Amino acid sequence: DSGVTQTPKHLITATGQRVTLRCSPRSGDLSVYWYQQSLDQGLQFLIQYYNGEERAKGNILERFSAQQFPDLHSELNLSSLELGDSALYFCASSVGPGGRSTDTQYFGPGTRLTVL
Amino acid sequence: KNEVEQSPQNLTAQEGEFITINCSYSVGISALHWLQQHPGGGIVSLFMLSSGKKKHGRLIATINIQEKHSSLHITASHPRDSAVYICAGGDFGNEKLTFGTGTRLTIIP
Repeated sequence: DSGVTQTPKHLITATGQRVTLRCSPRSGDLSVYWYQQSLDQGLQFLIQYYNGEERAKGNILERFSAQQFPDLHSELNLSSLELGDSALYFCASSVGPGGRSTDTQYFGPGTRLTVL
Repeated sequence: KNEVEQSPQNLTAQEGEFITINCSYSVGISALHWLQQHPGGGIVSLFMLSSGKKKHGRLIATINIQEKHSSLHITASHPRDSAVYICAGGDFGNEKLTFGTGTRLTIIP
């Protein structure tokens, strides 16, 4: 158990809908990262927050948005869902802002999103 | 061309064999991560290294910054090592990771 929790575990929804994925980092970790893993694209970095502020952005679509709240949990919002958004969404957390050898990332169990 | 490449894509070996998985990257990175993804989907961070060598149990990771190459070795492999192993390069100043496509390892008893 990494100490990172994600809810829900599974989510099935229809095209055009909007969903929210939630992540609670390990106690004491200030950074939260979101990743998407699809069958054809592999793992891709979406976005990172550090202590409530956006720190790095990857291949995140404009239909997706995220935030990190004062209690450090984070939410990833996916809107106008398309079939291609079906994937595993992982969040991870680390103590620091990243880029240091001590900033190991701890991964949550993932949320499996299926868009029908 | 992917900025982070792994080889082999698939590897099947007998229990007890010494395993090597390779990772080459074409961009500057602050650190190289090795991750293990179990058949159920969960991801575990194995190593994060920016130079030299790290060892944890039967796993050893090495990195050569000049050659932009890293290797993950597993000694005395066991069926429970069967998983997908993924390397990823971390960007400077943050941890925007660029992932390799993974190596699927199967250890046969």
